[in-house]
Order: sequence, then structure tokens, then C-alpha cells
Amino acid sequence: TQLLEQSPQFLSIQEGENLTVYCNSSSVFSSLQWYRQEPGEGPVLLVTVVTGGEVKKLKRLTFQFGDARKDSSLHITAAQPGDTGLYPCLGNAGNMLTFGGGTRLMVKP
Amino acid sequence: NAGVMQNPRHLVRRRGQEARLRCSPMKGHSHVYWYRQLPEEGLKFMVYLQKENIIDESGMPKERFSAEFPKEGPSILRIQQVVRGDSAAYFCASSPGQVSEAFFGQGTRLTVV
Repeated sequence: TQLLEQSPQFLSIQEGENLTVYCNSSSVFSSLQWYRQEPGEGPVLLVTVVTGGEVKKLKRLTFQFGDARKDSSLHITAAQPGDTGLYPCLGNAGNMLTFGGGTRLMVKP
Repeated sequence: NAGVMQNPRHLVRRRGQEARLRCSPMKGHSHVYWYRQLPEEGLKFMVYLQKENIIDESGMPKERFSAEFPKEGPSILRIQQVVRGDSAAYFCASSPGQVSEAFFGQGTRLTVV
């Protein structure tokens, strides 16, 4: 069973601050997805990274896949209260999709 | 193309009853995953199915829980003789293949009273 460790588990920041959250594993993934989940809803796919070293931007969000495809990071610039939610990552290795526990982000106005 | 559909959205069962949770994957998707989420926690893998086959059920309790994905119709997660500890949100995800993006449904929130 592959394990995905996400850090930090909880993060509370003020509106306008920048933050980075991490998704780490000892396993190599063919692809890795980041999701955002709001209370009472299902996870919504934000981005998929496939190539080692890949960087993808989605407005204020920047996603990076590690060169060895074992880890990934999500950076949010100028966080807004609407960014509040759970951010789980999902690694794809063979026939297994492995979820990290997620980082629970709260952005205070 | 409709997304992953789960029903019911909310399900209340008394202790000892059976709960049946349904998941219709996105069109063209033959892989289904079930996850369980307790309040304020992350998603925990339960079972991975392809059409008519269980590929990995390592996250599913050995007793009272079963899952199927028949050739026709939705995937079903069945919980027999429910207990209060089964109360949780159950999400399913589908993908078109093994090395593919997974898309999630809105979940079924099971409450055992």
C-alpha cells in the first residue's frame, strides 16, 4: 500500500497571505491529482500533474510535481476566504489510487 | 456528460438495518473507487472495482460490507446490520482507466440512529 503524507494537516492564515502545502511519498506515481473539498461536498479536481518537474498554474494556485514523481506541492498566492477547504492529493500508481489525508485550510478575512 | 452520480445523498438507518449506496460512474468510465470519510477527517480508501470484478478491497471491513459493480447498472456498496460507527460520508469516484484522473460524486451521508 502506497502512503501519501500531506503537511501541514491544518493551516489557519489571514486573507492575503501566501502558503504552500505538501504531498510526499516514498512511492513513484505515474500521475498525481490535487483536489479541493468544501464541507458537505465531494472533492473537486483542480489539476493533474504527470511529468517529473512539471509546474502548472491555475490562477493564484501553482502546482509542482517533484522530479522523481514522489512528491508534489501546492502554492496559493494571496489566499482568500473562498480558498477555505480540504486539499487532498491523490497519487496514481498502477491499479491503486492513494489519497493523502489532506490539508485543512482556513483563510480568515 | 453527467458527472458521477451518487444516491441517495442522505440515508438514515436504524441499527441492524441494511444500507445500500449507489454510484453511477461517468459515461465511459469502467473503474469505480469507494471512499469513506468521517467528519473533519480525510478520505479513506475502501474498495476498487472494475466491471464485474473487485480489484482491491484492502480498505473494506471483512464483515458486513460488500461492494459490486455489475455489467449493467450502478456500483453498489452494501452495509449489512449497520452500527452507529458506520455513520459517515461515503464517496465514490470513477475513472476511464487505471492511469487516469478520478472524478468524485457528491457522496452519500449515512446516519445510523
